[in-house]
Amino acid sequence: KAGVTQTPRYLIKTRGQQVTLSCSPISGHRSVSWYQQTPGQGLQFLFEYFSETQRNKGNFPGRFSGRQFSNSRSEMNVSTLELGDSALYLCASSSTSYGYTFGSGTRLTVV
Amino acid sequence: GIQVEQSPPDLILQEGANSTLRCNFSDSVNNLQWFHQNPWGQLINLFYIPSGTKQNGRLSATTVATERYSLLYISSSQTTDSGVYFCAGANTGNQFYFGTGTSLTVIP
Repeated sequence: KAGVTQTPRYLIKTRGQQVTLSCSPISGHRSVSWYQQTPGQGLQFLFEYFSETQRNKGNFPGRFSGRQFSNSRSEMNVSTLELGDSALYLCASSSTSYGYTFGSGTRLTVV
Repeated sequence: GIQVEQSPPDLILQEGANSTLRCNFSDSVNNLQWFHQNPWGQLINLFYIPSGTKQNGRLSATTVATERYSLLYISSSQTTDSGVYFCAGANTGNQFYFGTGTSLTVIP
């Protein structure tokens, strides 16, 4: 069974640009959650999608958005990038019995 | 949100030694997981353990839900066990709150 796939693995963007990250969950998992990891703030919850609906949202500005498609694949978008958005972005899919399974992450660097 | 306190923050062990990592929660949780973050950043699921005890090889975990803590035991540590260990818990919905991690270094 394939794991959670995140693309791209690495990304370098310039301040003010926007970026889209992709996450394909484990087959059969309908819940996809996104986290941001930085050295200063640790792992922080961005949002969760379930059956194409945002079910939960963390405390991030509106520049951070996401969506989920009918095949459960999810994307997150960050607009008007700031230097502080440099982070490892992790996606997890989950089932009720086994909790989260994370992808390898996308390391975003904003210059 | 739930506050998650992990201890110790850093741990250095000689290969072959045993260790116990602890995780305290400020509120009750009904979902709890332990993860190991590898050098490339991926969080590897070790245990999904909202209550009780589980074992997987040299690793085991115990969660005492009524007292809001969980323990991760690593026996006969190996250099490949090095990395950062996180616990995370959730009480409603699927929003997990993570601790700040225990950074483990196992020296040969």
